[in-house]
Amino acid sequence: DSGVTQTPKHLITATGQRVTLRCSPRSGDLSVYWYQQSLDQGLQFLIQYYNGEERAKGNILERFSAQQFPDLHSELNLSSLELGDSALYFCASSVDGGLDSPLHFGNGTRLTVT
Amino acid sequence: GENVGLHLPTLSVQEGDNSIINCAYSNSASDYFIWYKQESGKGPQFIIDIRSNMDKRQGQRVTVLLNKTVKHLSLQIAATQPGDSAVYFCAENTGGFKTIFGAGTRLFVKA
Repeated sequence: DSGVTQTPKHLITATGQRVTLRCSPRSGDLSVYWYQQSLDQGLQFLIQYYNGEERAKGNILERFSAQQFPDLHSELNLSSLELGDSALYFCASSVDGGLDSPLHFGNGTRLTVT
Repeated sequence: GENVGLHLPTLSVQEGDNSIINCAYSNSASDYFIWYKQESGKGPQFIIDIRSNMDKRQGQRVTVLLNKTVKHLSLQIAATQPGDSAVYFCAENTGGFKTIFGAGTRLFVKA
């Protein structure tokens, strides 16, 4: 058990809808990361927060947004969903910004857009 | 599992043999490298890491080698076991808080 909790485990929704994915980092970790894993794309970095502030951005679509709250949990919001957004979404956390310590991953949220 | 269908490079080894998984990284400025193992239905799990001031690091049954000249990273697994079957990812920290993952290699262990 990595200590990173993601909810829900599975999500099925229709095109055009909006969903929120939630992540609780390991106790003591200040950084939270979001990754998307599709069948043909591997693990794609979306965004990273450190102690509530956005620190790095990857190929995150404008339809997607995230935030990290004062209690350090994070939410990833996906809107105007398209079929191509179907994927596994992983959250990870680390003590620092990943500069000197590995990331610890949750078991992901599987999103299916129909 | 959710990785079925991924068109990943595949390595098939006999149980008990040694496995070598290779990775080419992209950024010559990266200074921290990590190997992860992803089993079906789970998130990536940390295996071993190495910093750019080293060229080799050993763990339990695993060794990571770093060649900065050609930007190449390898993971060696000794006496491979069926439980080692998984997808293996290398990752690099490029500074600026980004950790970027390679495409992954699927390891099959034949009993």
